[in-house]
Amino acid sequence: RKEVEQDPGPFNVPEGATVAFNCTYSNSASQSFFWYRQDCRKEPKLLMSVYSSGNEDGRFTAQLNRASQYISLLIRDSKLSDSATYLCVAMDSNYQLIWGAGTKLIIKP
Amino acid sequence: NAGVTQTPKFQVLKTGQSMTLQCAQDMNHEYMSWYRQDPGMGLRLIHYSVGAGITDQGEVPNGYNVSRSTTEDFPLRLLSAAPSQTSVYFCASIPGTPPYEQYFGPGTRLTVT
Repeated sequence: RKEVEQDPGPFNVPEGATVAFNCTYSNSASQSFFWYRQDCRKEPKLLMSVYSSGNEDGRFTAQLNRASQYISLLIRDSKLSDSATYLCVAMDSNYQLIWGAGTKLIIKP
Repeated sequence: NAGVTQTPKFQVLKTGQSMTLQCAQDMNHEYMSWYRQDPGMGLRLIHYSVGAGITDQGEVPNGYNVSRSTTEDFPLRLLSAAPSQTSVYFCASIPGTPPYEQYFGPGTRLTVT
């Protein structure tokens, strides 16, 4: 079983729609969690950290459920520029980052 | 700050050749790492370093060596290139204090024929 699992997609979503990504992690000792965005043939860039209380940044909302070992990312009012691959990451106490394989999102006009 | 820089951006090698991928960061980050990313797969950790003079193996270390003589530089050496090492290689660094955002270099696209 992969340590961090994501639905690979692709998710084909019309512009303006709301889209949700889910991610599960197997290491209960994981301490920090992140969502990264990766555009085609580019390096990953941090989208947002995920806090236990949930956090929001504009159209993006991230949630963490430690009991279920589950992380989510919600994108509201999706834009064409949101098309990318979204990577879920868990960090353990040794600063080791375990990456999901990513979920590809395609926003259609 | 330049952030994390990697050279070269593209490289083609023949099977059996060796080469070094360069990585440098100017943010004084202690933690640095090398990943490879293959199509349809997540990032896989090759080697990492928690500070100058300290390196350790990640998930897929075979065929690669690293060294960390300074805080700034973390080169990755391919000992004898194989077609299975065709991939995109990313170098990254993390600050020692929260938030532990990982800063990536632009990547090196390596093809081994």
